[in-house]
Amino acid sequence: GAGVSQTPSNKVTEKGKYVELRCDPISGHTALYWYRQSLGQGPEFLIYFQGTGAADDSGLPNDRFFAVRPEGSVSTLKIQRTERGDSAVYLCASSLLLTGGAADTQYFGPGTRLTVL
Amino acid sequence: GEDVEQSLFLSVREGDSSVINCTYTDSSSTYLYWYKQEPGAGLQLLTYIFSNMDMKQDQRLTVLLNKKDKHLSLRIADTQTGDSAIYFCAESIMDTGRRALTFGSGTRLQVQP
Repeated sequence: GAGVSQTPSNKVTEKGKYVELRCDPISGHTALYWYRQSLGQGPEFLIYFQGTGAADDSGLPNDRFFAVRPEGSVSTLKIQRTERGDSAVYLCASSLLLTGGAADTQYFGPGTRLTVL
Repeated sequence: GEDVEQSLFLSVREGDSSVINCTYTDSSSTYLYWYKQEPGAGLQLLTYIFSNMDMKQDQRLTVLLNKKDKHLSLRIADTQTGDSAIYFCAESIMDTGRRALTFGSGTRLQVQP
């Protein structure tokens, strides 16, 4: 079946602008995650949704970052007043939200490369 | 806190075995994952192991876990040029209830023909 998709694949914006990044998870996956990957680093967790609600937003760096998942499927990561330091690849992942000790494997999309000039 | 560490670079010849190492934060209940990332692409799940296991084998991949030393390794047998990529280990600590993965910085594997 289709994997996790993300749009756009590349986004170039100017400092101070607002951007939205979209993630379409694997159909039927209850959990959705956003990560940010800076050059030469591993992905860093931003926020996790269980259904429509943000179950853990402890990784959001500041209040310029916000994410929604209004119908429990597609999610949008929103960044206000972008800064050059926000330049990174933003990765989305989804999982079935298995419980009871099972490995709840996260499947990743190809990412959106954000460049803030 | 959670910390996952990896060596940065590994170079091997085609046909040799590759061993990529990782150290992680101990927990009584942890899943450890290996992901592969090719240039410009997302993360591809390779395999995972639970912390009560010592070894897991999946075709050319062997994962070894030394819980005492908090050490995880990924062995790729008969390494091919198509295995050239960045390999990330990641930890999911179940005891805390968090579902976020904590990643290492990645090991770049270069396979020379």
